[in-house]
Amino acid sequence: EAEVAQSPRYKITEKSQAVAFWCDPISGHATLYWYRQILGQGPELLVQFQDESVVDDSQLPKDRFSAERLKGVDSTLKIQPAELGDSAMYLCASSLTSGSYTGELFFGEGSRLTVL
Amino acid sequence: AQSVAQPEDQVNVAEGNPLTVKCTYSVSGNPYLFWYVQYPNRGLQFLLKYITGDNLVKGSYGFEAEFNKSQTSFHLKKPSALVSDSALYFCAVRATSAGTALIFGKGTTLSVSS
Repeated sequence: EAEVAQSPRYKITEKSQAVAFWCDPISGHATLYWYRQILGQGPELLVQFQDESVVDDSQLPKDRFSAERLKGVDSTLKIQPAELGDSAMYLCASSLTSGSYTGELFFGEGSRLTVL
Repeated sequence: AQSVAQPEDQVNVAEGNPLTVKCTYSVSGNPYLFWYVQYPNRGLQFLLKYITGDNLVKGSYGFEAEFNKSQTSFHLKKPSALVSDSALYFCAVRATSAGTALIFGKGTTLSVSS
């Protein structure tokens, strides 16, 4: 069964350092999402891509976060510099097409970030 | 603005008993509603969705959900709980005005005791 791949699964870093997360969506899925899940809360959307274009990045803290999906396939989410409050699970998800509002999102296993 | 509320932080049931995890929503237009489950340090797994049609939706692992438009609710149910059902459950709604991303509730921890 096709899966969304994410790496690394766990990352420990010190504040002010740079960190990057990688996501490879299910083959053929045009839409890719990055969510952040703080412990005890539900996932919150950071950025949404349709192919290589950003559809929604209104909740992305652009002073320190950046995301790209250069060839419309895999994606990288970067944080620089990391802050203590960035400790969270970063979840990548994909869906078949943004034109269909009925389709579910498929999630990867997530990347757990701890900032010391 | 679209939103989802899960009023219970935790639900405790005994194995073999029926379970209900509550969800209410607020959305303009027709709602597209979803339930996901999350095990510790794992991603979210899709359980079921309501798009249109029959108000009772059946999904994975014996779960079902009942859509109630008048009460703006979409409660998750299972007739007989298993210990292995213990996990974190999220209700989500589609934000049609901002693309296809899902808006999630804060989650409800289900604990099934043997």
